Amino acid sequence: QQQVKQSPQSLIVQKGGISIINCAYENTAFDYFPWYQQFPGKGPALLIAIRPDVSEKKEGRFTISFNKSAKQFSLHIMDSQPGDSATYFCAACTGAGSYQLTFGKGTKLSVIP
Amino acid sequence: SQTIHQWPATLVQPVGSPLSLECTVEGTSNPNLYWYRQAAGRGLQLLFYSVGIGQISSEVPQNLSASRPQDRQFILSSKKLLLSDSGFYLCAWNPGDYEQYFGPGTRLTVT
Repeated sequence: QQQVKQSPQSLIVQKGGISIINCAYENTAFDYFPWYQQFPGKGPALLIAIRPDVSEKKEGRFTISFNKSAKQFSLHIMDSQPGDSATYFCAACTGAGSYQLTFGKGTKLSVIP
Repeated sequence: SQTIHQWPATLVQPVGSPLSLECTVEGTSNPNLYWYRQAAGRGLQLLFYSVGIGQISSEVPQNLSASRPQDRQFILSSKKLLLSDSGFYLCAWNPGDYEQYFGPGTRLTVT
């Protein structure tokens, strides 16, 4: 019930291409869906987040698409660059209590020149 | 602006030795605080969280404990380290709403 399933586990994209990472959840009480970017040896950084009252949110080259009925959300990275090579985690949260995040297992993205 | 600190950045400890990792947050009051562990190439495992001074909730029973002696200080401890305690330990905070921010992490190697 609390799981967030993330795919693919790893992804290789050509420079300039579109990177797409998908997540699915079961708990309909989740009402906040962030994406984190983590470089090796660093803490995860909040990249972009969405609430379920909108179907899409865009910040620069990063877009979250959200499908409430399917209980799925995805991260799209447009014009992918080698500097985007990192591990990406999706997460989900309910607003109750301590705002704990439930994380996906991560996707290692490699953008090749 | 808010800043989160963790120290030490790296630590090598023998099996059976004690552990103390510290996390402090600046620029905010009464944050929610979290400890995570990340094994090599793996996801994020929530270990403990705290919604106030002296209030600690444990997510996973294990060899570790946490304390929050001050509003913006969160400490992760162990009396006797195991090999399996090796990993990347991350502290995080949120201001009592959804957005959660991570610290730089501590790399712990138990030998």
